[in-house]
Amino acid sequence: KNQVEQSPQSLIILEGKNCTLQCNYTVSPFSNLRWYKQDTGRGPVSLTIMTFSENTKSNGRYTATLDADTKQSSLHITASQLSDSASYICVVNTDKLIFGTGTRLQVFP
Amino acid sequence: DAGITQSPRYKITETGRQVTLMCHQTWSHSYMFWYRQDLGHGLRLIYYSAAADITDKGEVPDGYVVSRSKTENFPLTLESATRSQTSVYFCASRAGQALYNEQFFGPGTRLTVL
Repeated sequence: KNQVEQSPQSLIILEGKNCTLQCNYTVSPFSNLRWYKQDTGRGPVSLTIMTFSENTKSNGRYTATLDADTKQSSLHITASQLSDSASYICVVNTDKLIFGTGTRLQVFP
Repeated sequence: DAGITQSPRYKITETGRQVTLMCHQTWSHSYMFWYRQDLGHGLRLIYYSAAADITDKGEVPDGYVVSRSKTENFPLTLESATRSQTSVYFCASRAGQALYNEQFFGPGTRLTVL
C-alpha cells in the first residue's frame, strides 16, 4: 500500500533554532517528492520538489534531502522564524499524489 | 485577482441539505482537483478534472458531485450533506498532465454539517 509517514506529528522550537522534519514513504513507482508549507487557514504552498536523482535542494532557509534508496526525505529549517509556524506536508508523486499527514511546527519567541 | 479562489470560505449547513462549494482559477490550468482535509488524514482526493466536461473520481467520491462546464470553474456539490462530510475542502489546479507540475491550492472552505 502506498503510504507517506511524517514525524514528528508536532514540534515546538524557539525562534532562531534549527529543526529537521522527517518523511518516510512506501510508494512505487516513485516520480517526485514535494514539501508543502500550510499556514493556518490557508492552502498548502510548495517549498521544494525533488526527483529521483536529486539528493539535496534548498529554498532559502529550507533544505530538503532525499534518499531514494531508503525512501526517506527530510526538511531542514535553519534559523527558524516566527513565520515558520505552520504545518509541513510531504507529498510523494507516483501516478497520483500521496499526502502525508503533516508535521505541525510552532516557533516561539 | 489572479490565482485560485474558493467560496464560501466558511459554511454551516444541516444534515440532508444540498451544498455547493465553488472554485475558480484564472490561470487556464487544464487540471483541477477537489480534496478534503481531516485531522489524522492527509489530503484526500475527491474528484478531479482533466479539462472542461471531463471529470473522474478520486479516492473518496461518495456523496459528492462535480461538473466542469468552463475551464476556470470546478464546483463541488454535496447532494445531501452528512455529518461525516464536515471537513476543510481544498480546490487545486495544475497546468497540464505532467506530474512534475505543481498543484496550486486555493485557501479552502471550512464546512460544518450539523
